[in-house]
Amino acid sequence: KAGVTQTPRYLIKTRGQQVTLSCSPISGHRSVSWYQQTPGQGLQFLFEYFSETQRNKGNFPGRFSGRQFSNSRSEMNVSTLELGDSALYLCASSLVGSLNTEAFFGQGTRLTVV
Amino acid sequence: GENVEQHPSTLSVQEGDSAVIKCTYSDSASNYFPWYKQELGKRPQLIIDIRSNVGEKKDQRIAVTLNKTAKHFSLHITETQPEDSAVYFCAAKNSGGYQKVTFGTGTKLQVIP
Repeated sequence: KAGVTQTPRYLIKTRGQQVTLSCSPISGHRSVSWYQQTPGQGLQFLFEYFSETQRNKGNFPGRFSGRQFSNSRSEMNVSTLELGDSALYLCASSLVGSLNTEAFFGQGTRLTVV
Repeated sequence: GENVEQHPSTLSVQEGDSAVIKCTYSDSASNYFPWYKQELGKRPQLIIDIRSNVGEKKDQRIAVTLNKTAKHFSLHITETQPEDSAVYFCAAKNSGGYQKVTFGTGTKLQVIP
């Protein structure tokens, strides 16, 4: 079956702009989580969506937001971009309520803010 | 909330030697502990996981141990090979309704041929 798909793969934006990233989970997976990965900071949890509802949120400013659609696809939006937002953004999908709780990651979107 | 600490941040070993990466967690409600391997330029992928009702799990050259009392778990790689070079992340997932996953900061493993 198809894996987790993230689009676009690469993105260059200027400071002050906003950006929307997309994540399509594995078919049947209803949980989608987003992470920011920067060198030295590891994987920082942004938020998790399940059945179109945000269930968890990490310690990121309100400029970072997201949503999930009825088909479980999720989008993440960052407004008023800052240079420090340059990072690899990963999403992961998983089955919830199942014994198999493995999270499958997408390839990520590499965001560069200039 | 959950806090996962991972050590060391970098690790260099000679090919054929063993490598050990350690993680500690803070939330006693955590009950699932996966380990992910991320090769350069690629996505993290699950390599092994352990649940809180098990103390040790092994898969060929990889093993994970869990000490619930001390709240720490470790990844052991034996007979390391150059293709084991990657960044390894530990994680802890709680058993509550939200089942949030918290990752460690990663260990960059370099296996020297």
